[in-house]
Amino acid sequence: DVQMTQSPSYLAASPGESVSISCKASKSISNNLAWYQEKPGKANKLLIHSGSTLQSGTPSRFSGSGSGTDFTLTIRSLEFEDFAVYYCQQYNEYPLTFGSGTKLEIK
Amino acid sequence: EVQLVESGGGLVQPGRSLKLSCAASGFTFSDYNMAWVRQAPKKGLEWVATIIYDGSRTYYRDSVKGRFTISRDNAKSTLYLQMDSLRSEETATYYCATQDWAFNWFAYWGQGTLVTVSS
Repeated sequence: DVQMTQSPSYLAASPGESVSISCKASKSISNNLAWYQEKPGKANKLLIHSGSTLQSGTPSRFSGSGSGTDFTLTIRSLEFEDFAVYYCQQYNEYPLTFGSGTKLEIK
Repeated sequence: EVQLVESGGGLVQPGRSLKLSCAASGFTFSDYNMAWVRQAPKKGLEWVATIIYDGSRTYYRDSVKGRFTISRDNAKSTLYLQMDSLRSEETATYYCATQDWAFNWFAYWGQGTLVTVSS
């Protein structure tokens, strides 16, 4: 199985700041990586697929980068609605696997 | 608007069975691959199973093979997960999700149904 190591597990930041979340795969997954946002009481939201392609409706302050084994989700100019939990997911092969999540909280 | 509404969760004893349903609307259900993903309390997401748009193929994580069965009724726009021989460690919220037909990301998710496996 492809192990996805996500870091940090917890991140505190202020509105207006920029943050980055790392996701490392245990072997190359090309650019077959997605990022999701989880918020209480809401359905999970696909933010980015193919490593860097924004899903329709994802604000442009979100960006993804990376290929192979190392990936990064960056959020610029944080807004209050961005404070949530973020997960990466590889879809290069079955079983499909997720990172352990990063909780982004307001400082 | 895409809607996925899970149901069928509840309290079940270890070793017993439960069947989950996911009612889909707002899109052409028969065009989409579908999946179940679960999340144990205070834990991360874990893919469980996938079924191809026409039901011709299914995929399972190793730990549920032989015990869980994913199925679909395209005429009713409904996805199912039959769970047999449940274990306490399978206590989780179970989500259904659409799975891209060419690549395997999950574009739309339901809000989940909680399954508690306990005596």
